[in-house]
Amino acid sequence: GAVVSQHPSRVICKSGTSVKIECRSLDFQATTMFWYRQFPKKSLMLMATSNEGSKATYEQGVEKDKFLINHASLTLSTLTVTSAHPEDSSFYICSARMISGGGETQYFGPGTRLLVL
Amino acid sequence: AQSVSQHNHHVILSEAASLELGCNYSYGGTVNLFWYVQYPGQHLQLLLKYFSGDPLVKGIKGFEAEFIKSKFSFNLRKPSVQWSDTAEYFCAVNGYGNNRLAFGKGNQVVVIP
Repeated sequence: GAVVSQHPSRVICKSGTSVKIECRSLDFQATTMFWYRQFPKKSLMLMATSNEGSKATYEQGVEKDKFLINHASLTLSTLTVTSAHPEDSSFYICSARMISGGGETQYFGPGTRLLVL
Repeated sequence: AQSVSQHNHHVILSEAASLELGCNYSYGGTVNLFWYVQYPGQHLQLLLKYFSGDPLVKGIKGFEAEFIKSKFSFNLRKPSVQWSDTAEYFCAVNGYGNNRLAFGKGNQVVVIP
């Protein structure tokens, strides 16, 4: 149980275009999902918290107009990188929060490798 | 704000050796503690977690971790590693009522056959 998928797994796009990444919790419902960036040889950087039915909460320094988040259902959150530039090339990872056993656990998707040319 | 420290970023050891990875956190309140593992080319997987109760937690693949509240630590151990344990290991913490995880910088563990 607790499987999270992401689509696409990798994408190459031209500078100036927009890219949408989907995150799905396959076997549980998640009112909250999270979007991270992972840089080479570094830990995960939280970008934003995605809340079902309400606006996302962005971390300091993350442009909300550039990284659009939509949490349309209890199993789907999308991240759209608008007007992508080469510096947006990165590994984007989502997680979905499960509440059980007296606590909260985040389960992670496999990530999406974005390369902007 | 909560923060997590992991030391000895690169660890190289031989099969059958014992492994211990340190994790210290700074947060004064009740915490939930996690260890995640990322095998080469794969995504982050939950290794084990601590919410409450017995401070010695057993996870998958023979791993265990001990929560020592007085030391703000949650060290990960495995008595005898295998080549397949080669991976990056991340400690993570969230304070009670705060759903955001704080990650350590990770330990890159390489097990030599």
